[in-house]
Amino acid sequence: DQQVKQNSPSLSVQEGRISILNCDYTNSMFDYFLWYKKYPAEGPTFLISISSIKDKNEDGRFTVFLNKSAKHLSLHIVPSQPGDSAVYFCAASGGGGSTLGRLYFGRGTQLTVWP
Amino acid sequence: DAGVIQSPRHEVTEMGQEVTLRCKPISGHNSLFWYRQTMMRGLELLIYFNNNVPIDDSGMPEDRFSAKMPNASFSTLKIQPSEPRDSAVYFCASRRGDEKLFFGSGTQLSVL
Repeated sequence: DQQVKQNSPSLSVQEGRISILNCDYTNSMFDYFLWYKKYPAEGPTFLISISSIKDKNEDGRFTVFLNKSAKHLSLHIVPSQPGDSAVYFCAASGGGGSTLGRLYFGRGTQLTVWP
Repeated sequence: DAGVIQSPRHEVTEMGQEVTLRCKPISGHNSLFWYRQTMMRGLELLIYFNNNVPIDDSGMPEDRFSAKMPNASFSTLKIQPSEPRDSAVYFCASRRGDEKLFFGSGTQLSVL
């Protein structure tokens, strides 16, 4: 059962515009959230993270927003660039007990930024 | 650092054959994870080790899958016998403590 859900398998955005990738989770015990980016034939690489004590974290063009009451987070990329075209995975951890240390991933969203 | 190293990059085998995937984590990392990526399920955790000890193997699909970590610098994931539905990209990842996870480049497995 997917505890982290990315309901949009793909997103297409024009260069210079904002890209918004969404993620929902079901486990209220999750306390740390991450975004990973994956290019073809490569492993996922860490992009940005946020702790549950915050509702926003910014790193350059990338901002992650967390809405704990809605169990929702989003990744904003502004401005989008063609090099941002990749699969983006949302991940969450926490929950304690036997799940300690485990990262749960969504299925990913393919972002395409066109010129 | 060379990062997480996986071998082989590609593996094509016939149904029923044994497949062994290998992983060398980043030096100094004490946790190692094996993930499988498919279109249907995305990135799913198969098993992870902490200080070479398996902590959670609930994601291992069935008895045909086994994983070992004989020392801090090496792990294997074995499928015996392999089946076509095992075709996927298998990723190994490692980290130190609660720090971020570093992934290898993956092994593309095709079982014919």
